[in-house]
Amino acid sequence: DQQVKQNSPSLSVQEGRISILNCDYTNSMFDYFLWYKKYPAEGPTFLISISSIKDKNEDGRFTVFLNKSAKHLSLHIVPSQPGDSAVYFCAASARYSNYQLIWGAGTKLIIKP
Amino acid sequence: DAGVTQSPTHLIKTRGQQVTLRCSPKSGHDTVSWYQQALGQGPQFIFQYYEEEERQRGNFPDRFSGHQFPNYSSELNVNALLLGDSALYLCASTAGGRIGETQYFGPGTRLLVL
Repeated sequence: DQQVKQNSPSLSVQEGRISILNCDYTNSMFDYFLWYKKYPAEGPTFLISISSIKDKNEDGRFTVFLNKSAKHLSLHIVPSQPGDSAVYFCAASARYSNYQLIWGAGTKLIIKP
Repeated sequence: DAGVTQSPTHLIKTRGQQVTLRCSPKSGHDTVSWYQQALGQGPQFIFQYYEEEERQRGNFPDRFSGHQFPNYSSELNVNALLLGDSALYLCASTAGGRIGETQYFGPGTRLLVL
């Protein structure tokens, strides 16, 4: 039973364009969401987060959008840069489980020059 | 400022053996969480250690156990290894015991069980 799903295993985007990574969840109790980025041979690195009381959070080139009614969140990267090529994980958590992270399977983002 | 370190980087074991993985948290962090990441999947939470005690546990059998030392470093022990235990084991540290945001991850230990 996958509570957090990233349905696109990979995504290829031209440098300079917008990258949109999607994530769906099933548990309506989730109230905190995070995106992590992972390069090969390194551990995941925290990128950006959003609380369920918001529908948008922005940090530089990265913006996360949350649609609670659709149980969907997305990460927008504008403009995309070669260094953004990595695997991106969506993770969700809930207060009732002491914010234990439930992770998606990841989306591999490839930025083409 | 050293980040999270893990040892060893790679390990090969056979079924039925036991393994110990080690983690040193980022300087200033007192909480260590362990994750298992199977190939093609996201990390799965194993357990968290805070103040030398297991504070929260994911859906893993008792074959998985751990320990935290007074210097906050931690060990993950897996007994009676199964082929399905082959995975990348990630350690993450944070301060103050909350599992959620801004965990700092080590590079992981890749375990192969033959």
